[in-house]
Amino acid sequence: KAGVTQTPRYLIKTRGQQVTLSCSPISGHRSVSWYQQTPGQGLQFLFEYFSETQRNKGNFPGRFSGRQFSNSRSEMNVSTLELGDSALYLCASSLAWLAGGYSYEQYFGPGTRLTVT
Amino acid sequence: AQKVTQAQTEISVVEKEDVTLDCVYETRDTTYYLFWYKQPPSGELVFLIRRNSFDEQNEISGRYSWNFQKSTSSFNFTITASQVVDSAVYFCALHPNTGANSKLTFGKGITLSVRP
Repeated sequence: KAGVTQTPRYLIKTRGQQVTLSCSPISGHRSVSWYQQTPGQGLQFLFEYFSETQRNKGNFPGRFSGRQFSNSRSEMNVSTLELGDSALYLCASSLAWLAGGYSYEQYFGPGTRLTVT
Repeated sequence: AQKVTQAQTEISVVEKEDVTLDCVYETRDTTYYLFWYKQPPSGELVFLIRRNSFDEQNEISGRYSWNFQKSTSSFNFTITASQVVDSAVYFCALHPNTGANSKLTFGKGITLSVRP
């Protein structure tokens, strides 16, 4: 079974531009989460999508947005890029997080390394 | 609020030594899940183990073993007879057992270097 794929793997953008990152989850996985990893802040949760709906959101400004398509593929968008947005953006997929007790491990993609100059 | 503390930042050992990575967590939830992930230089987080809060049975898998103690809020990870390929950053993470708050809270990670 293919793992989580993310495109592009590397990206260089200029301040003020916007960027879209893509994530294809493992086949059959319906939940997609996004994380930002920086040396200073570590791994921080951005948001999670399940069945095309944002189910949970971290503490990031509105410049960070995302969406999920009917095939569970997800995109993340960052508008008006700032230098501090330079990071490794990781996407993770899981079968589902269900209320009431079930919890499944998240499988991560290789990440997209974004550099903002 | 949830918090995961990995007090060790960097550990360096010689191949074949045993090494234990510490993890302490804070949560108000009565049930939750704990995870360990490994991040090699390639950048991809690799899932190692999941443990739920109502199962304190410790586990051994090959050279890896985990010690979960709810009384001290710790979930430590031991590598026996370490190998150079074990060199990576190791993250401990916490997940609440509620579907409405589905996110992993990670510790800062421990960089493990295994020297030949």
